[in-house]
Amino acid sequence: NAGVTQTPKFQVLKTGQSMTLQCAQDMNHEYMSWYRQDPGMGLRLIHYSVGAGITDQGEVPNGYNVSRSTTEDFPLRLLSAAPSQTSVYFCASSSFRGGTTFFGQGTRLTVV
Amino acid sequence: DAKTTQPNSMESNEEEPVHLPCNHSTISGTDYIHWYRQLPSQGPEYVIHGLTSNVNNRMASLAIAEDRKSSTLILHRATLRDAAVYYCILRVGLNNNDMRFGAGTRLTVKP
Repeated sequence: NAGVTQTPKFQVLKTGQSMTLQCAQDMNHEYMSWYRQDPGMGLRLIHYSVGAGITDQGEVPNGYNVSRSTTEDFPLRLLSAAPSQTSVYFCASSSFRGGTTFFGQGTRLTVV
Repeated sequence: DAKTTQPNSMESNEEEPVHLPCNHSTISGTDYIHWYRQLPSQGPEYVIHGLTSNVNNRMASLAIAEDRKSSTLILHRATLRDAAVYYCILRVGLNNNDMRFGAGTRLTVKP
C-alpha cells in the first residue's frame, strides 16, 4: 500500500516555465488537496477536490490549476512559474468517513 | 475559521513526558481537535484527534479541557524520533476534510 505518492521530489524551474506536479493515492479516498509550505511556516491550502470532476479553491489558489479526472490522481499545474512559488508542495488525501488525512513526502520546487 | 494558538517551541529531555498545549478559545460545538506532526523533510502525519473526552492511542494522549477552549497533547516518554513540529488543528465535524495549519510548536528532544 503506497499511500500518497508525489513526483517529482525536486524540481528547478526558470521564471515563466510551466510544469505539473503529480499526485496519486491508492486508498480510494474521495478528498484530495494540495498545500504549499514556505520556510518556517505551516501549510497553506491551494486547491482541493471532493471527488472526480469536482475541484475548488483554497486559501492561496492564484497561479495554480488543478483537475480531477480520476479518483486516484490530482495533478497541480503551475501555469507560469514565479520566484514567489518557490516552496515545498504537499499533496494529501482522506476519506470522508475516516477523518485521518494522509500526506505525500512533498515536492521541493525552486523557481529561479 | 476557528483559530488555534500554540507556543513556537518547546524542549524536552529524552524519556521524559512532554505536554504540548493548544488554545482554541473560539471552538464551536462541532469542531474536532486534531493533532498532526511533521518530522524534518517529511509530510505531516496524523497523531490523534478528539471531540470532548480524553483520548489515548499508541502514539500519544489528548487531554481536552472541560470547556473545550484548550487541549494538551501528551507524549508519555519522548524519544529523539519525536523531535518534530506539532500542529493543533480544528476541523468542523468528522467529515470536514479542510485543514488550516498554523505555525505549530517545534519540539526539541535532548538526549
